[in-house]
Formats: sequence, C-alpha cells, structure tokens
Amino acid sequence: ETGVTQSPTHLIKTRGQQVTLRCSSQSGHNTVSWYQQALGQGPQFIFQYYREEENGRGNFPPRFSGLQFPNYSSELNVNALELDDSALYLCASSFDRSYEQYFGPGTRLTVT
Amino acid sequence: QKEVEQDPGPLSVPEGAIVSLNCTYSNSAFQYFMWYRQYSRKGPELLMYTYSSGNKEDGRFTAQVDKSSKYISLFIRDSQPSDSATYLCAMSHNYGGSQGNLIFGKGTKLSVKP
Repeated sequence: ETGVTQSPTHLIKTRGQQVTLRCSSQSGHNTVSWYQQALGQGPQFIFQYYREEENGRGNFPPRFSGLQFPNYSSELNVNALELDDSALYLCASSFDRSYEQYFGPGTRLTVT
Repeated sequence: QKEVEQDPGPLSVPEGAIVSLNCTYSNSAFQYFMWYRQYSRKGPELLMYTYSSGNKEDGRFTAQVDKSSKYISLFIRDSQPSDSATYLCAMSHNYGGSQGNLIFGKGTKLSVKP
C-alpha cells in the first residue's frame, strides 16, 4: 500500500509569485484535504476535494485554489504569494470524506 | 475562545513515566476525535481515533473522550525516548455529509528523557 506523497519537499518563492504544490493520495482513497501549518501551530484546514470538486473550504482567500484529478491526486495553487504564506503545507487523504485522514510529509514553502 | 484548546507544553518526563495529554473544546457538534503524532519537520501520523465517549486502547496508548465535559485525553504508558514528538489533538463534525474539516489543537511538545 502506497502512502500519501507530496512534491516538492521544499520551495522558496518571492512575494507576489505563484506556486503549485502536488499530492498523491494513498491507494484506495478518493478524498484529498489540504492544510496549512505555521511554525508552532496546529494545521489549519484550507479545503477538501472529493470526486474532483471542492467539498468544503476553511477561512482562506480565493487566491488559494485547488484541483483534483481523476486518479484522485491533487494540486494546491497559491497566487500573489505573501510573506505570511510561509508554512508547511500538508495534504491528507481519506476514503469518502472520512475524518480518518492520513497525512503526507508536507511541502515547506518559504516566501521572501 | 478557540474551538480547540491544547496546552503547548513543553512537557518533559523520564523514560517509563505515564504521560497525560489533554484538549478541551467548545463546539458540542464535534463527534470525531483524533490524536496525531508529529516528529520534527514531518507530517502528522494518525495514532488513534474515536467516535464516541469512553476509552479506546491500542498498545501503550489510551484515548479517552468525555463529551459531557468537552474534554479528551491521550495517555501513554511506559513512555520511551522514541515517543518524543509533538502530539496534536484533532476533531471534526459531520456537516453536509463530510467529516473532513479537521480542527486541530496547537500541539503539545513531549520530550522523554532516557
């Protein structure tokens, strides 16, 4: 059984740029959720994708957007990067929008 | 008031000690309760999850939920240096058929000294 994978591991971007982060869900899972974890904080829910549609969104502006593909992998896109976007971005997969979520290793984004 | 409160610690214990980690919450709609372990610079690892009030045991770990008091706990028996990590509690409800919006505490940093 393959776990959740994310790419890239690390990323450094400049304020105002755009970034795309990728996630492959665990085998057998059809739901992907994205979280932002600032240093010293718990993860914060950004949004969830189920059957290729957004299925719930946290308190994040529209410049945070996503996609889910037919193979259940997902992308998180962030436009007009701000310094406060520097964080660990976590992807979690689950089956049928369940609370039982399994996380990937994360992508550490630094915005300078 | 935050929806989920968790003492960030740090908590330092000697090897072999019993560790008690706790979270309180304010939203009575929460139905699902999880504990995650997160090693430094890694993603959270699901340790235990439960749906109802009561106790759930898995090896050295026991999760306890008291919905009447809005209080959850994780106990670690015979703690080991390898248990040193940040422990995150998480909760969710079932709005619109989705349980997927997990609300996390800030995490408690645990250090187990040999």
